[in-house]
Amino acid sequence: SQTIHQWPATLVQPVGSPLSLECTVEGTSNPNLYWYRQAAGRGLQLLFYSVGIGQISSEVPQNLSASRPQDRQFILSSKKLLLSDSGFYLCAWSARGRLSGANVLTFGAGSRLTVL
Amino acid sequence: AQSVTQLGSHVSVSEGALVLLRCNYSSSVPPYLFWYVQYPNQGLQLLLKYTSAATLVKGINGFEAEFKKSETSFHLTKPSAHMSDAAEYFCAVSEGSNYQLIWGAGTKLIIKP
Repeated sequence: SQTIHQWPATLVQPVGSPLSLECTVEGTSNPNLYWYRQAAGRGLQLLFYSVGIGQISSEVPQNLSASRPQDRQFILSSKKLLLSDSGFYLCAWSARGRLSGANVLTFGAGSRLTVL
Repeated sequence: AQSVTQLGSHVSVSEGALVLLRCNYSSSVPPYLFWYVQYPNQGLQLLLKYTSAATLVKGINGFEAEFKKSETSFHLTKPSAHMSDAAEYFCAVSEGSNYQLIWGAGTKLIIKP
C-alpha cells in the first residue's frame, strides 16, 4: 500500500533562518507531488506541484522554493524565512499520469511551522 | 472562474443527530467535487468525490453527498453523528481539464455529547 511521510511535524524557526521540509512517498512510482499551505480559517493554497524528477511548477510567487531530487521525494525550502511563512504545510501525492481535475489527493500529516 | 463557498465555519450537532455541511460552488463546466476531512493536526483524507456519475455519492464513515446542478450545491450529510466525526471538513471543486482544486474555507464540526 502507498504511504506518505512528511517531516518534521513541528518546527519553530527565527526570521531569516533557512527552511527544509521533506516529503517521501512509498508504494508507488512516478507520482504527482504537491505542496500546499493551510492558513487558519482558510482553505488550502497550492504552492508547488511536480509531475517528475526535476520538474517543478510554482503556483504562487513567494519566498519558498521546491525541489524533487528523486522520484518519490519532494522538498520545500526557503533561504530566509519571513513571519508570513508561518503555517501548516501539507505534502500530497496523486497517481501518475496527466494532471486532471479528477485526481484524488493523498496527504501527509503536515508540518506546522512557526516563524518568530 | 471557479469558487467554493462553505456556509458556516463551525457547525455544532448533538451526538446521534443529523449532520449537514453545506457547500456551494460555481463552475463554467461540469465540475468534479470533493469532500475531504481533516482531524486535528493531521493531513486531509478523502471522504467522497463526484465525477459526473451518480448524483448521490456515498463515502466513508457513513457520509454521503448529493450533487444538485440546479442549486450548484454538494452538501455533505450523515444521518447520525458520532463523537469521532468531530473534525474539519473541506469541500473542493475542479474542472476536468484543469488539475487545480479550488478549496472552501472549511467547516469545523463539533459534536455535543
